[in-house]
Amino acid sequence: RKEVEQDPGPFNVPEGATVAFNCTYSNSASQSFFWYRQDCRKEPKLLMSVYSSGNEDGRFTAQLNRASQYISLLIRDSKLSDSATYLCVVLRGDTGRRALTFGSGTRLQVQP
Amino acid sequence: DAGVTQSPTHLIKTRGQQVTLRCSPKSGHDTVSWYQQALGQGPQFIFQYYEEEERQRGNFPDRFSGHQFPNYSSELNVNALLLGDSALYLCASSQTGGAPTEAFFGQGTRLTVV
Repeated sequence: RKEVEQDPGPFNVPEGATVAFNCTYSNSASQSFFWYRQDCRKEPKLLMSVYSSGNEDGRFTAQLNRASQYISLLIRDSKLSDSATYLCVVLRGDTGRRALTFGSGTRLQVQP
Repeated sequence: DAGVTQSPTHLIKTRGQQVTLRCSPKSGHDTVSWYQQALGQGPQFIFQYYEEEERQRGNFPDRFSGHQFPNYSSELNVNALLLGDSALYLCASSQTGGAPTEAFFGQGTRLTVV
């Protein structure tokens, strides 16, 4: 079983739609959680951190459920520019020994 | 402020050869991690360097080795290249401190083994 699991998609949605991505992680020692965005043939870039209390950044809302080891990302009012692969990422370890573990990514294609 | 820079951007090698990839971290960052990303997959952790030592290692064979220099830059070496080593190699830098911090990625080196 992979440490971080995501539905690979693709999710094909029309502009303006709301889309939700889910992710589960297996290691309860995971400390921090993130969503990264990766455009085709580009490097991953941080989209947002994820907190247990839930956090929102414009059209994006992230949620963490530590008990279920489940992370979600909600995108409202999808734009064409949201088309990308969304990577669920967890961080664990101590100072000088922290490493990110990535899911395989969920591909989103927003259509006109 | 330069971000994370990697060189070269593209590379073609023959099976059995050796390759060295280079990474300069973002200014102020002292930790460098290397990842391999095969087509259609998320990045896979290779290893991490901090204070010029390998601190953590993912599930990669000894053919993969690295180094970190006093200026925090880093190299990834791969010996006896296999076709399956063809991938995007990403370097990420971060600042080791009290709180977990964001990792910044370089644009990657696309390695093709033929």
